Amino acid sequence: SQQGEEDPQALSIQEGENATMNCSYKTSINNLQWYRQNSGRGLVHLILIRSNEREKHSGRLRVTLDTSKKSSSLLITASRAADTASYFCATDNNAGGTSYGKLTFGQGTILTVHP
Amino acid sequence: DTEVTQTPKHLVMGMTNKKSLKCEQHMGHRAMYWYKQKAKKPPELMFVYSYEKLSINESVPSRFSPECPNSSLLNLHLHALQPEDSALYLCASSQESSGSGTQYFGPGTRLTVL
Repeated sequence: SQQGEEDPQALSIQEGENATMNCSYKTSINNLQWYRQNSGRGLVHLILIRSNEREKHSGRLRVTLDTSKKSSSLLITASRAADTASYFCATDNNAGGTSYGKLTFGQGTILTVHP
Repeated sequence: DTEVTQTPKHLVMGMTNKKSLKCEQHMGHRAMYWYKQKAKKPPELMFVYSYEKLSINESVPSRFSPECPNSSLLNLHLHALQPEDSALYLCASSQESSGSGTQYFGPGTRLTVL
């Protein structure tokens, strides 16, 4: 299966609740990133966590990384209707030492936050 | 300027047409990417340009032809496409040598092939 599998595939919550999405991957990575995509639009970078980091925060976002389990989670606290979007994890396993990041995206989680 | 722009936003073309998608960034990024995204699926990498040279072609059919005229521009030339090529085409860019891998995406071109 594809590098970067996410669960759940879809998540429906009420405003103010927390949303947790999980991502698993198969090969070693340099970093793992999370992106958000509003319907039919481009992707927006949310947060990057390097392979030697375990947890990172950005505003209402918290990302954890467990390289021993090859998994990551994205927590959105106090969710808002505007958080409704698809969320993708993406792994950078740039083993070739190139100057660019080749990302492999997970299948994504569709988050719906009801007002 | 932290924006990647793409034109056109929407494109409808017949299977015998020739068209081009355009992407532009003015962030000084030296790596640029084309992705294809089908509905409810993740983006799939098509091409990577690094320092204006094609670095990766993910076995994309020759009816898609990328071009990088300069460090700010990326084109995707389309010819003899099939209906299954209908998708959202995303352009992205990233810094060189930063090792961060963070990519900045444009809004995409919604392509429909009739």
